[in-house]
Amino acid sequence: NAGVTQTPKFQVLKTGQSMTLQCAQDMNHNSMYWYRQDPGMGLRLIYYSASEGTTDKGEVPNGYNVSRLNKREFSLRLESAAPSQTSVYFCASTDSSLENTIYFGEGSWLTVV
Amino acid sequence: AQTVTQSQPEMSVQEAETVTLSCTYDTSESDYYLFWYKQPPSRQMILVIRQEAYKQQNATENRFSVNFQKAAKSFSLKISDSQLGDAAMYFCAYRGTQGGSEKLVFGKGTKLTVNP
Repeated sequence: NAGVTQTPKFQVLKTGQSMTLQCAQDMNHNSMYWYRQDPGMGLRLIYYSASEGTTDKGEVPNGYNVSRLNKREFSLRLESAAPSQTSVYFCASTDSSLENTIYFGEGSWLTVV
Repeated sequence: AQTVTQSQPEMSVQEAETVTLSCTYDTSESDYYLFWYKQPPSRQMILVIRQEAYKQQNATENRFSVNFQKAAKSFSLKISDSQLGDAAMYFCAYRGTQGGSEKLVFGKGTKLTVNP
């Protein structure tokens, strides 16, 4: 059981480049999330998707776009990367049938130079 | 909007002793879930314990227990018989149940050091 899988694990980008972080879960969860983690800031929500076909902004959505491609996949896109987007990104998923336990991916380390 | 506050950026405890990590939150909802997550240096997010707001009984998982005070909006984590492997960042988190509030909101974390 793979759980929540994120790719890539590590990426270095130049300022202005674009990239997409991929996330897939094999647990048939309805809700999926993208967070970023910066030192001293905890985890901040970028975007979330409560169900297939819906997406909503979180606390720090600027500079990002998301796509809920299907129930399994939720991608995060940086259209024009900036050094301020250097962070660790986490994808997560849950379902109300699980008493709201959230499952996390292992994180993606992104550096923008 | 819901907020979660962890007032202790760092805590330390001697091995085998007990330590309590504090968490307060702000919400207008009556039904919600609270969590403590552990994040070791590997950055993996590990669920430690979960509490449903409608349950008055405090959750317990082996050496980990919570003190849930709904009226005070307080949710502290007690770690008994601390072990070296408990050293990590600990995050308190809130998740609502009403439409639009399903997102999980985190505190800024408490770094726990366990001294041998």
